[in-house]
Amino acid sequence: GEDVEQSLFLSVREGDSSVINCTYTDSSSTYLYWYKQEPGAGLQLLTYIFSNMDMKQDQRLTVLLNKKDKHLSLRIADTQTGDSAIYFCAESRTGRRALTFGSGTRLQVQP
Amino acid sequence: KAGVTQTPRYLIKTRGQQVTLSCSPISGHRSVSWYQQTPGQGLQFLFEYFSETQRNKGNFPGRFSGRQFSNSRSEMNVSTLELGDSALYLCASSFEGPTEAFFGQGTRLTVV
Repeated sequence: GEDVEQSLFLSVREGDSSVINCTYTDSSSTYLYWYKQEPGAGLQLLTYIFSNMDMKQDQRLTVLLNKKDKHLSLRIADTQTGDSAIYFCAESRTGRRALTFGSGTRLQVQP
Repeated sequence: KAGVTQTPRYLIKTRGQQVTLSCSPISGHRSVSWYQQTPGQGLQFLFEYFSETQRNKGNFPGRFSGRQFSNSRSEMNVSTLELGDSALYLCASSFEGPTEAFFGQGTRLTVV
């Protein structure tokens, strides 16, 4: 099965909070990441969390990690139309110098 | 400071040809990784270079190869192109390993 799974699509209204979820299978994951990709562009690193942390906040972004359930979420407060993009969850593990990505969640923000 | 630069941005090649893509990492970064992004397979890891040495390789055929130069710039080469090689090829640079990896805009390769 997939190492990292995400739901495909999320639609929210401007000003609401968005929560994008991700599950991973490997308990040896060391770091977990959120990347954003806008049309025609590369990947933008939004934030990452070390596996021994539960939460990380960075301005409008809050990352929650439930290591027991292998569940990661990204909350975007006060979502704006400029937040419309595809969001990728990714993980890396000690000894494997590569990122394993989920399939991405397309976030659509309705005005 | 300048970000990761990938050239060219777009390429159209014919089946059977070969292609070379280039990546200039952020100044001071010594790790360069390559990823392939397709609608069907998503983002897949190709290989990672650090100080001119390939340290890790993904599950791609030998037609995909790469190298890194002493200034940390990297190239990847795909020989005997197939239609299925059409993809966005992304390069990422970091100081060491995948943590805080920054991606370039990618090279869009179309094989016809």
